[in-house]
Amino acid sequence: AQTVTQSQPEMSVQEAETVTLSCTYDTSESDYYLFWYKQPPSRQMILVIRQEAYKQQNATENRFSVNFQKAAKSFSLKISDSQLGDAAMYFCAYRSATQKLVFGQGTRLTINP
Amino acid sequence: NAGVMQNPRHLVRRRGQEARLRCSPMKGHSHVYWYRQLPEEGLKFMVYLQKENIIDESGMPKERFSAEFPKEGPSILRIQQVVRGDSAAYFCASSPQTGGSSPLHFGNGTRLTVT
Repeated sequence: AQTVTQSQPEMSVQEAETVTLSCTYDTSESDYYLFWYKQPPSRQMILVIRQEAYKQQNATENRFSVNFQKAAKSFSLKISDSQLGDAAMYFCAYRSATQKLVFGQGTRLTINP
Repeated sequence: NAGVMQNPRHLVRRRGQEARLRCSPMKGHSHVYWYRQLPEEGLKFMVYLQKENIIDESGMPKERFSAEFPKEGPSILRIQQVVRGDSAAYFCASSPQTGGSSPLHFGNGTRLTVT
C-alpha cells in the first residue's frame, strides 16, 4: 500500500521569507500523481499544486513550487515570499491509477509577521 | 459552477443514534470520495463511489458504516449507532472522470460530534 510521510508536524517562517515543506512517499507504481493541499482554519481543502510523475520538470504555481525527486520518492513544497494568508495545514497527497488519494499527516505552517 | 456541497456543516448526535451525511458533487462529476479527519490528523480514505456503484470501500469500518451514490440525488454516508469515536470531520470530494491527474475537489466537510 502507498504511504505518504510528512516529517515536519510544524514549521514557521517570517513573512516574506521562503519555506520548504518536506514530503516522502512509498510506492511500487511508476505512474502516479502528487498533490499539495492547503487547509486553513475554515477547514476547506484547497489544491495548491500538482505534479505528474512522468514529468521531469518541477511544477510551479506563482509563489509555490515543488522539488520532485522521483528516484528518492521525495516531493517537497517551496513557498516563496510567504504571506500571512499562507498560514494553514499543508497536506501532501499521492494518487495512483486506482484513483484513491492518500494523504500525509500534515504540516502546520505559521507565518510570523 | 457550485462546488462540492456538503450538509449539514455541523451535526450533533447522541450515542446510539444514526448520522446521515450528504454530499452533492460538482456539476458534471460522477466520482465521489469520502474521507474522515480526526483532530490534528490527515484525511483518511473511507470509500470511493461512482453512480450506483461502490468502487473501493477499503477504508470503511466493517460495521455501522455504509455509503451510497444513487442515480439521482446526493451521495450519503450513513453511520448507525454512533459512538464517541465517530466524532470527526467527514469530507466529501468529487472528480469528473477516471485518471489520476484529475484533482479532487473537496467540500467544506461535516463536523460530527457524538455526545
